[in-house]
Amino acid sequence: KQEVTQIPAALSVPEGENLVLNCSFTDSAIYNLQWFRQDPGKGLTSLLLIQSSQREQTSGRLNASLDKSSGRSTLYIAASQPGDSATYLCAVWGGYNKLIFGAGTRLAVHP
Amino acid sequence: GAGVSQSPSNKVTEKGKDVELRCDPISGHTALYWYRQRLGQGLEFLIYFQGNSAPDKSGLPSDRFSAERTGESVSTLTIQRTQQEDSAVYLCASSMGQVEKLFFGSGTQLSVL
Repeated sequence: KQEVTQIPAALSVPEGENLVLNCSFTDSAIYNLQWFRQDPGKGLTSLLLIQSSQREQTSGRLNASLDKSSGRSTLYIAASQPGDSATYLCAVWGGYNKLIFGAGTRLAVHP
Repeated sequence: GAGVSQSPSNKVTEKGKDVELRCDPISGHTALYWYRQRLGQGLEFLIYFQGNSAPDKSGLPSDRFSAERTGESVSTLTIQRTQQEDSAVYLCASSMGQVEKLFFGSGTQLSVL
């Protein structure tokens, strides 16, 4: 059974810091991995999707890496801003029919 | 439409009443998913539709929960005889196909008093 774990559960940093969010999964047989952002009272916004054959994906200040064999992914956020404050969720496809989510990392970036 | 739309955005109901939650996926998206998120917890898979069929209903917590999809478009999640434990945000998502990028709606906040 696929399980997804995210560390840390919460993170508070000053503006401008570079930071890394970690995600691990127990079954390396995944199709792809997706990182989302969730703001309070809102749905999820897709940030990056990494196919199982890829090692990383970049979008602006965000970079996500994938090491399928070790069951790990990291989301790197460069030069963090207060607007980055949100919960970040990692998810993998457990088979073709459902995306399995981690519990998320709550990020607070203070000015 | 431009995005996944869910209605209502908020629903307050009394214990024992039935509720219907609606999801309008992105036009052309064949796959549709329902998830539940209890306060302070992660996302819990409920059901998956491919077209109008539901090959995976494994996440529905009890027989009080049911869902349907028509015209390969709108989906309705129905909860009968609601209980306080049903209070949560119900999120709908759609994608072009299997294992594709998932797009979420803003959710329906259900409160059962």
